Amino acid sequence: ETGVTQSPTHLIKTRGQQVTLRCSSQSGHNTVSWYQQALGQGPQFIFQYYREEENGRGNFPPRFSGLQFPNYSSELNVNALELDDSALYLCASSGPGQGTTGELFFGEGSRLTVL
Amino acid sequence: AQSVTQPDIHITVSEGASLELRCNYSYGATPYLFWYVQSPGQGLQLLLKYFSGDTLVQGIKGFEAEFKRSQSSFNLRKPSVHWSDAAEYFCAVGARGSQGNLIFGKGTKLSVKP
Repeated sequence: ETGVTQSPTHLIKTRGQQVTLRCSSQSGHNTVSWYQQALGQGPQFIFQYYREEENGRGNFPPRFSGLQFPNYSSELNVNALELDDSALYLCASSGPGQGTTGELFFGEGSRLTVL
Repeated sequence: AQSVTQPDIHITVSEGASLELRCNYSYGATPYLFWYVQSPGQGLQLLLKYFSGDTLVQGIKGFEAEFKRSQSSFNLRKPSVHWSDAAEYFCAVGARGSQGNLIFGKGTKLSVKP
């Protein structure tokens, strides 16, 4: 069974640029959630995707957007990067029914540094 | 406001000693409660969860947690800590229909002395 995989693992961008992070969900999982974890903080919910549509969103501005593809993989896009966007971005997948209970399976994250 | 508080930022215990990590929550709906562990450079791994029923839940790696509704707490325990347990531990709360929106505490970093 393949777990959640994320790419890239590390990347550096400058303010104002755009970034795309990618996530492949665990086999059999149809729901993907994205979290932002700033240094020294717990993860914060960005949004969830189910059936290729956004299914819930946290307190993040519209420049954070996402996609889910028919194979359940997902992308997180962040436009107009700001210094405060520097963080570990975690993708989590869940199987049928688990997405509503919060039983999430996390990848190792993509660490974004904005200079 | 919905929140999770982990009062201890950093705890150090000796190998073989017992462990208790504290978690208090504030949540309007009936909560689903979770403990996750994060090793350096790794993602979060689910240790255990509470949805309903028996308030003492068992998890992986010998961990257990007890839900106390009257105290709004969900403390994590382990009777004998191993050096490999050194990591950061996160308590989280959610609810049915929350669409994957878990609210996490800020975490407790556990160090283990030989």
